[in-house]
Amino acid sequence: AQSVTQPDIHITVSEGASLELRCNYSYGATPYLFWYVQSPGQGLQLLLKYFSGDTLVQGIKGFEAEFKRSQSSFNLRKPSVHWSDAAEYFCAVGDKVRSGYALNFGKGTSLLVTP
Amino acid sequence: NAGVTQTPKFRVLKTGQSMTLLCAQDMNHEYMYWYRQDPGMGLRLIHYSVGEGTTAKGEVPDGYNVSRLKKQNFLLGLESAAPSQTSVYFCASRFPSGSFLADTQYFGPGTRLTVL
Repeated sequence: AQSVTQPDIHITVSEGASLELRCNYSYGATPYLFWYVQSPGQGLQLLLKYFSGDTLVQGIKGFEAEFKRSQSSFNLRKPSVHWSDAAEYFCAVGDKVRSGYALNFGKGTSLLVTP
Repeated sequence: NAGVTQTPKFRVLKTGQSMTLLCAQDMNHEYMYWYRQDPGMGLRLIHYSVGEGTTAKGEVPDGYNVSRLKKQNFLLGLESAAPSQTSVYFCASRFPSGSFLADTQYFGPGTRLTVL
């Protein structure tokens, strides 16, 4: 069965520092991968998605993610973090076969940004 | 467009009570979903619908029922609420295309439910 693992439950970075959030997936075929962000008390907003082609994907708010098939990873990066980036980040894989293109989410990584 | 809206935003129930959560979308989406979010668990799929009049079970369907009588609405029912159903519930919808390529899921703001 497909699954998504986000190894880091919490991450703390200083404002202006670079950021990398890890995501590993388990999926038999070409995965459909997503990163969502959830600000406190809010719904989920799509940052970026990957289906095929160029393995480096650009998203909103200055985020990018790189798909590495050999490592089964889809890590999210940002070169310089802003205080407003503090939020919960979810990696997800799309489930085409089992459940109407529903998303299978990782458990999330909580990002804290310090001054 | 309002996008995806959820009613109510907050609710407190006593064990054994029933309630219905309403999800509405004005984007003419065929597919709709109900997820629950629990601390440290991410979001898990409860039920989903691929069109008006159709529903199917997701990963954690026990204790919930759903209905999709109108294309724009997807209702989630709890017949006899239990403390284990304390959670934040998110509804989502997507375009009808049979592919992830052309679309994405749009999420509602969530309903925070507490069962005492």
